[in-house]
Amino acid sequence: DQQVKQNSPSLSVQEGRISILNCDYTNSMFDYFLWYKKYPAEGPTFLISISSIKDKNEDGRFTVFLNKSAKHLSLHIVPSQPGDSAVYFCAASAISNQFYFGTGTSLTVIP
Amino acid sequence: KAGVTQTPRYLIKTRGQQVTLSCSPISGHRSVSWYQQTPGQGLQFLFEYFSETQRNKGNFPGRFSGRQFSNSRSEMNVSTLELGDSALYLCASSFRPGGGTYGYTFGSGTRLTVV
Repeated sequence: DQQVKQNSPSLSVQEGRISILNCDYTNSMFDYFLWYKKYPAEGPTFLISISSIKDKNEDGRFTVFLNKSAKHLSLHIVPSQPGDSAVYFCAASAISNQFYFGTGTSLTVIP
Repeated sequence: KAGVTQTPRYLIKTRGQQVTLSCSPISGHRSVSWYQQTPGQGLQFLFEYFSETQRNKGNFPGRFSGRQFSNSRSEMNVSTLELGDSALYLCASSFRPGGGTYGYTFGSGTRLTVV
């Protein structure tokens, strides 16, 4: 039972444009959300987080939006750069239980 | 400070064999979690150890087991290997149990291939 879903396995975006990666979850108890970025042959690295008391968190080119009523979060990357090409995982946790991860979205930024 | 270290990086095993994977967390981190990554399934939670005790367990068969030592290093064991166990096994450490609000720091993983 996949509690965190990323329905788009892949996404291609032109350099300089916006990349929007989406994530849906089913458990209303989730209160903390993370995005990780993964390059081939490396482990995932933390990118940005958001708690359920907020609906937006921004860090440089990266912004995460949380819509609790829709159980949906999204990651916006503006402007997209070729170095952003990687697999992006969203993850959710309920009261420091453990993190549930989505299946990942492979982002390709075309120069 | 040193990151999360997983050994070995690559393993090839035969069906029916057993395998032990090792993870050394970041110094000071007492929580170690293990995840299995396969194409199309994302990262599936195996188990978490905190202070030598299994704190959480995912939905995997009993062939998958683990332990944590007093120095927080952790090992994961898979017995009677099946072809479907071929995956990237990721270890993640954190200061707080469950990752807290800081999430995990991941190692580079051990790529297990079962033939």
